Amino acid sequence: DVVMTQSPLSLPVTLGQPASISCRSSQSLVYSDGNTYLTWFQQRPGQSPRRLIYQVSNRDSGVPDRFSGSGSGTDFTLKISRVEAEDGGIYYCLQGTHWPFSFGQGTKLEIK
Amino acid sequence: EVQIVESGGGLVQPGGSLRLSCEASGFPFSNYWMSWVRQAPGKGLECVAMISQDGSQGYYVDSVKGRFTISRDNAKNSMFLQLNNLRVDDTGVYYCAGEPRALAYWGQGALVTVSS
Repeated sequence: DVVMTQSPLSLPVTLGQPASISCRSSQSLVYSDGNTYLTWFQQRPGQSPRRLIYQVSNRDSGVPDRFSGSGSGTDFTLKISRVEAEDGGIYYCLQGTHWPFSFGQGTKLEIK
Repeated sequence: EVQIVESGGGLVQPGGSLRLSCEASGFPFSNYWMSWVRQAPGKGLECVAMISQDGSQGYYVDSVKGRFTISRDNAKNSMFLQLNNLRVDDTGVYYCAGEPRALAYWGQGALVTVSS
């Protein structure tokens, strides 16, 4: 099974400062159709996860452009250019290339 | 607007059974693979099962194989998860989610508690 490793697991960030979360996979996430199924989610307390980024770098409708995704193969990054108060929560990466699909452990972003 | 509503959660003893349901609207349900994702209390997310558009293919994580069965009824825009021989570590919120490779759509979740 593919193991997804996120770092850091805890990320205190001052309002207005940038933030970056790394996600590494134990195998390449390039699928046979040529796509790379690496997705990022935000989960606020008591809520369902909300998708932010799909296929590495495509931002979902309604997601602020301060969120961006990058990477390839086995190494991926979610960046927030300037953290706002509403960005607090837990961020997860997901690989949807190899079944069973698997999530990273989660990164808790705390707004200072 | 996409809406996904789960139902059927509850408290059950170890070894017991439950059937979760999920009703979707706002997107072409029959065109989408669908999945169940669970989250144990205070823990991360786990993909449990997924089903093809026509229901002919089902995939399961090893920990639930032989105990859980995923199915769907496209005429009713619905998906189901039959949970048998439940264990304490099956406790958690079960989410119905669309497009398993990228989980575009999520429900609010159904809480399953397995306890004696």
